[in-house]
Amino acid sequence: GESVGLHLPTLSVQEGDNSIINCAYSNSASDYFIWYKQESGKGPQFIIDIRSNMDKRQGQRVTVLLNKTVKHLSLQIAATQPGDSAVYFCAEILYNQGGKLIFGQGTELSVKP
Amino acid sequence: DAGITQSPRHKVTETGTPVTLRCHQTENHRYMYWYRQDPGHGLRLIHYSYGVKDTDKGEVSDGYSVSRSKTEDFLLTLESATSSQTSVYFCAISDPGDRGFNEQYFGPGTRLTVT
Repeated sequence: GESVGLHLPTLSVQEGDNSIINCAYSNSASDYFIWYKQESGKGPQFIIDIRSNMDKRQGQRVTVLLNKTVKHLSLQIAATQPGDSAVYFCAEILYNQGGKLIFGQGTELSVKP
Repeated sequence: DAGITQSPRHKVTETGTPVTLRCHQTENHRYMYWYRQDPGHGLRLIHYSYGVKDTDKGEVSDGYSVSRSKTEDFLLTLESATSSQTSVYFCAISDPGDRGFNEQYFGPGTRLTVT
């Protein structure tokens, strides 16, 4: 079936350290995987996406890695800052269902100053 | 921020009463979505629209209906609210002609409590 899940519900890191947030998925037919960030009291915000035929994609301070062999996705945040504190969701998108997003349950990232 | 507003932002209602939530966009995006967010479930799609008067069901559509009479407005209606519909509701928009579906823009959310 379709499901996207996260390994850890919470992650605490020191300011300046790198953060790694993990995600497992089960639907091998997904075309894209996407990371969203949700700050308290706000709606989710797009961070970065990766196409299923790619292994790695880099953005500004963020890198997403995709391992299709083990159906694993990760988000790496370099030099984590207090403003990075939020809940991070991985999601897969279904183009044949109007762009429906299947979200994982989320990982809460807490950055200690 | 993308031009998406939701109203009301907070609502408390009683079981059995009808409730309508409104999503309004100023981006002229073709696709609009309603999600609900609950602890332990992340966000789940309720309904979506791919154009005026064109809607389809998501994964948790039971007990909800939607309407889209104008590009900019997408309404979510709970015909007879139940306590299980207590949740935070998010509207989102996207346009395949922009970044494709991938970058959906979310509204600020509506917190609904059914007592």
